Amino acid sequence: KAGVTQTPRYLIKTRGQQVTLSCSPISGHRSVSWYQQTPGQGLQFLFEYFSETQRNKGNFPGRFSGRQFSNSRSEMNVSTLELGDSALYLCASSLVPSSWTGGVNEQYFGPGTRLTVT
Amino acid sequence: AQTVTQSQPEMSVQEAETVTLSCTYDTSENNYYLFWYKQPPSRQMILVIRQEAYKQQNATENRFSVNFQKAAKSFSLKISDSQLGDTAMYFCAFTLTQGGSEKLVFGKGTKLTVNP
Repeated sequence: KAGVTQTPRYLIKTRGQQVTLSCSPISGHRSVSWYQQTPGQGLQFLFEYFSETQRNKGNFPGRFSGRQFSNSRSEMNVSTLELGDSALYLCASSLVPSSWTGGVNEQYFGPGTRLTVT
Repeated sequence: AQTVTQSQPEMSVQEAETVTLSCTYDTSENNYYLFWYKQPPSRQMILVIRQEAYKQQNATENRFSVNFQKAAKSFSLKISDSQLGDTAMYFCAFTLTQGGSEKLVFGKGTKLTVNP
């Protein structure tokens, strides 16, 4: 079974531009979460989508948005890029939220998209 | 505050030896899950081991085991018979449930180097 895929793997943008990152979850997985990883802040939760609905959102400005399609693929968008948005953006998928199963919800991570803002 | 603290930014160990990575966390939840994730230099994050907070028995996965002390909110990872392939960043995390949804709260990570 193919793992979580993220495209593109590397991206260089300039300040003020916008960017769209894509994530394809493992086949059959319906929940997709996004995380931002930086050396200073570590891994921070951005948002989670399930059945095309945003279920949870982290503490990020409105420039960060996302969506999920009917095939569970997800995109995140960052508008008006700032230098501080340079980071590794990780996507993780899981079958369904743990609250549905009462059990451990293992999230499978993709390789990430390395975004550099200049 | 819902936080995870990994007090060792970097550690090193000789091949075949044992190393313990520490993790403490703070949560007001009663039922939660704890995880150790490994992120090798290639950047693919993978799950190493997980622990349900309501289980007293410490989880074990081959050479990896945890020492879970719920009252102390401590969740350390022990790697036995360290191998060169264990070189990676290790992140401790727990699930935080908010409004029926969940997210992972991560520590800042410990960079582990296994030396030949």
